[in-house]
Amino acid sequence: ETGVTQTPRHLVMGMTNKKSLKCEQHLGHNAMYWYKQSAKKPLELMFVYNFKEQTENNSVPSRFSPECPNSSHLFLHLHTLQPEDSALYLCASSQDWLAGREQFFGPGTRLTVL
Amino acid sequence: ELKVEQNPLFLSMQEGKNYTIYCNYSTTSDRLYWYRQDPGKSLESLFVLLSNGAVKQEGRLMASLDTKARLSTLHITAAVHDLSATYFCAVDGGNQFYFGTGTSLTVIP
Repeated sequence: ETGVTQTPRHLVMGMTNKKSLKCEQHLGHNAMYWYKQSAKKPLELMFVYNFKEQTENNSVPSRFSPECPNSSHLFLHLHTLQPEDSALYLCASSQDWLAGREQFFGPGTRLTVL
Repeated sequence: ELKVEQNPLFLSMQEGKNYTIYCNYSTTSDRLYWYRQDPGKSLESLFVLLSNGAVKQEGRLMASLDTKARLSTLHITAAVHDLSATYFCAVDGGNQFYFGTGTSLTVIP
């Protein structure tokens, strides 16, 4: 595997379900990001991790819970989501949050909440 | 909060024509990035512009940055169908990237 990978690519869940999105980067980067992409809206940054430490949380509802066990892996745990949370969730990585800022994106997980 | 405006939002152009996409932003930044997104795919990095007056070219695409005017342009020369995609600019606001809403480009044979 190369670059940034995400699984699953598609996910349909009910509002009472609990699921997790996984992101893995094979670039040797130290910063990882979660973005939400909704139709007709700019990409919204959700979380930033730099060297496994969370540096940004953009007022994201607590039904989204990130986890970064190491610099290569990032998870987004989902529970009791709402239909308006349906979107494309993109993971990205960069060399680090301060110096090497060019971000490389994964293919995304298309989430549908019923 | 930094605001990023792209225009046009939608662009339909004939093959062989030239056109420019504009990206304006609201506060000072000297780092700007252009990405391409194909339908159902992720964002692909096109250009990294890190200083005032920076100009980068790749094939039929050329990007420039004017930090004093807070403006970046993505110029398309002699468009071909393969360039059909959505193009995003992203401004480095210090604590995060701020993305434009994207320009959906369709190149018509």
